[in-house]
Amino acid sequence: LAKTTQPISMDSYEGQEVNITCSHNNIATNDYITWYQQFPSQGPRFIIQGYKTKVTNEVASLFIPADRKSSTLSLPRVSLSDTAVYYCLVALGGILTGGGNKLTFGTGTQLKVEL
Amino acid sequence: NAGVMQNPRHLVRRRGQEARLRCSPMKGHSHVYWYRQLPEEGLKFMVYLQKENIIDESGMPKERFSAEFPKEGPSILRIQQVVRGDSAAYFCASSLAGGETQYFGPGTRLLVL
Repeated sequence: LAKTTQPISMDSYEGQEVNITCSHNNIATNDYITWYQQFPSQGPRFIIQGYKTKVTNEVASLFIPADRKSSTLSLPRVSLSDTAVYYCLVALGGILTGGGNKLTFGTGTQLKVEL
Repeated sequence: NAGVMQNPRHLVRRRGQEARLRCSPMKGHSHVYWYRQLPEEGLKFMVYLQKENIIDESGMPKERFSAEFPKEGPSILRIQQVVRGDSAAYFCASSLAGGETQYFGPGTRLLVL
């Protein structure tokens, strides 16, 4: 399973754009990159998933360079309610393959948004 | 459109008792995953099940822990003879198919006294 590395913590202010970068040097050809958000005492919430280039939804954007060895989660105009832990995961997507469905969570990035 | 449901949300057990944690997947999802989270740590995979089948239990402790996902009803994670080290948050996730996006429930917080 591809190992991911992301900053332990980040601080920001309301209204700013936040970019969290994750490195995954040994990502495999069939791996997808997925980001989850977790608030205290809650389960992780799916934010966005991508394979290459750029993906955008109503919550965030995900930028993936051509070599796919890293990815950047971009949160536009954060608010206090975006204070949470953000996890970057690399996992096999699509067709079921043995061992490919278990998500491997690191310690994530603790984002703190202040006024 | 209800999400993944877990109950109970909080469970207190004394050492040696049994703990039963339930998970109802999202409607239409037939793949269930269980994860455990210790304080200040990320989630750790325990087991992956489809209806009536255990697909991957590589993260399950060899003793005292078992999981099932019957044809009818919720998935059950069962911990026998609990010890203090079992105190953690247990999360269930479900997906439409293997390899698809996993959606998590609110978790069950188990406290062993």
